[in-house]
Amino acid sequence: EAQVTQNPRYLITVTGKKLTVTCSQNMNHEYMSWYRQDPGLGLRQIYYSMNVEVTDKGDVPEGYKVSRKEKRNFPLILESPSPNQTSLYFCASSSPIAGVHEQYFGPGTRLTVT
Amino acid sequence: SQQGEEDPQALSIQEGENATMNCSYKTSINNLQWYRQNSGRGLVHLILIRSNEREKHSGRLRVTLDTSKKSSSLLITASRAADTASYFCATDERSNTGKLIFGQGTTLQVKP
Repeated sequence: EAQVTQNPRYLITVTGKKLTVTCSQNMNHEYMSWYRQDPGLGLRQIYYSMNVEVTDKGDVPEGYKVSRKEKRNFPLILESPSPNQTSLYFCASSSPIAGVHEQYFGPGTRLTVT
Repeated sequence: SQQGEEDPQALSIQEGENATMNCSYKTSINNLQWYRQNSGRGLVHLILIRSNEREKHSGRLRVTLDTSKKSSSLLITASRAADTASYFCATDERSNTGKLIFGQGTTLQVKP
């Protein structure tokens, strides 16, 4: 089954404790992306990657890091989480067909930083 | 930056009625997509309309695009309780990078 998986699905942590949210896709997609979703703000892109070893900042990259060592994986790293990073996070992947990126989303990771 | 602005923010209708949601955007686009999100879950792609198209249908969904007004609408006909969800428009900003910019969404409640 074609899918994007994220782990963990729920995480409660404390300020400053480094964490990684994993994302994996099995569709051989070149493009992967991380979003955060907050009430009243919609989805905002954090980082994206157009292929292996190619990453770039989205609209809200501060406080986050990513890496793309393999095509299927795109982990999101919070080196020193802060309460304002409490949010619902989504990973997405796509591959262009005739220039169109229809994105496939993971199930989400709900992060709470206390 | 938020490209798409959706209207209304929330919509409540009875089962069987039609639901219309609108989306406005700011820059030129290659295409506009609509996604659906059930509460707290990932988004699911519903339908795409290219910038050279004016209307598209898929089952009970009808999407229109007016590039001169930089706006789109999503119509769900004969709504069902299972259509209760949030709906988002997303535009590609003509970047060819794969980046989509999402609106803030319309929350639709369909009462049985």
